[in-house]
Amino acid sequence: AQTVTQSQPEMSVQEAETVTLSCTYDTSESDYYLFWYKQPPSRQMILVIRQEAYKQQNATENRFSVNFQKAAKSFSLKISDSQLGDAAMYFCAYRQTSGSRLTFGEGTQLTVNP
Amino acid sequence: NAGVTQTPKFRILKIGQSMTLQCTQDMNHNYMYWYRQDPGMGLKLIYYSVGAGITDKGEVPNGYNVSRSTTEDFPLRLELAAPSQTSVYFCASSYSTGTSGTEAFFGQGTRLTVV
Repeated sequence: AQTVTQSQPEMSVQEAETVTLSCTYDTSESDYYLFWYKQPPSRQMILVIRQEAYKQQNATENRFSVNFQKAAKSFSLKISDSQLGDAAMYFCAYRQTSGSRLTFGEGTQLTVNP
Repeated sequence: NAGVTQTPKFRILKIGQSMTLQCTQDMNHNYMYWYRQDPGMGLKLIYYSVGAGITDKGEVPNGYNVSRSTTEDFPLRLELAAPSQTSVYFCASSYSTGTSGTEAFFGQGTRLTVV
């Protein structure tokens, strides 16, 4: 079974600084998707960024970018110019392209200090 | 565009009672999921469905049942509620062809307390 590991239960960053959240996963598949979701105090799950495993180029969305290392099975999220509104729980998730299960890590609680 | 709609948003149950959490999506997604999230924890998969009439167990199915009679609806049934089922429940949906697909879209969650 696929597993997703987020080794940082909590992280903090100063406003306007950069922070990187770590995620590793275990799979024997070659085609899959990886996602980062944000969960603010409102509880809503919000997609931050997605990466297809067959794409070598790292995905970016404005201030959010990933470092996808397929051989190392690593998928870290970099948040640049951190804002107070970035404070939330961040979840890494995996889904095999031809599969149906969506598996989540345990999450990283990000605090942004003014 | 409503997306994924869950009802109710909050519910308090007594031990031994039963209830159904409703979930409907209007995006014509084939995959649907039910997760539970305990305080400070990640999301655990309860059940999922790859299409109408097809359901399968996730990591933590005990104490729950599901059905998928239509593409749009995926209700979660709790029988004989127990305090261990106190949690926040999320329904989600996504679309997949087996070679491509979308991310999962989530409902706003149901906070369930069993007392």
